[in-house]
Amino acid sequence: AQKVTQAQTEISVVEKEDVTLDCVYETRDTTYYLFWYKQPPSGELVFLIRRNSFDEQNEISGRYSWNFQKSTSSFNFTITASQVVDSAVYFCALSAGQSYDKVIFGPGTSLSVIP
Amino acid sequence: DAGITQSPRHKVTETGTPVTLRCHQTENHRYMYWYRQDPGHGLRLIHYSYGVKDTDKGEVSDGYSVSRSKTEDFLLTLESATSSQTSVYFCAISEWAVSEQYFGPGTRLTVT
Repeated sequence: AQKVTQAQTEISVVEKEDVTLDCVYETRDTTYYLFWYKQPPSGELVFLIRRNSFDEQNEISGRYSWNFQKSTSSFNFTITASQVVDSAVYFCALSAGQSYDKVIFGPGTSLSVIP
Repeated sequence: DAGITQSPRHKVTETGTPVTLRCHQTENHRYMYWYRQDPGHGLRLIHYSYGVKDTDKGEVSDGYSVSRSKTEDFLLTLESATSSQTSVYFCAISEWAVSEQYFGPGTRLTVT
């Protein structure tokens, strides 16, 4: 069975602090895809990144970076120098094996950036 | 932005009544999905479609049915709405099964 755990329900940081959102996944499949999505207070869901299981390189996009570690089944997301506009709920998701067309979402982490 | 619309955006209905939510896309993507979002559960897949008239169940499909007669439209029907189906419903599309998904604006459904 596939599962995504986001143990941090809510995080609050002061603007300009760095923050890491944790994502731990479970799957027995060797081929899988991991995703992060952002849901700001306005409610829309926005795609941030997709990573496949064969590419463990970390990725950086501006203030955002992702650390994929197969050894710990984790795909963590770090925001550097957080801004108020980063306040949102962030979802990690998994698509794996023969159930690849059924994406499993984690429960989400609500991030509040305080000015 | 991907062209995805959902209608209605808000609906209040009574227990036992049928409800149909519509998702419309202009991207010609093969895959379409219906999710529900509830506090503490993230997004849960209800049904999805991998082509016209090709659909399959997700993890919370009981009480819901879907239809896709055209590439651009994916309908979600609650045959007899219950209070437990009060939720925010999101439609999503993707080009392939493992592609990133693009979401519609959501429909807030309240069953009284």
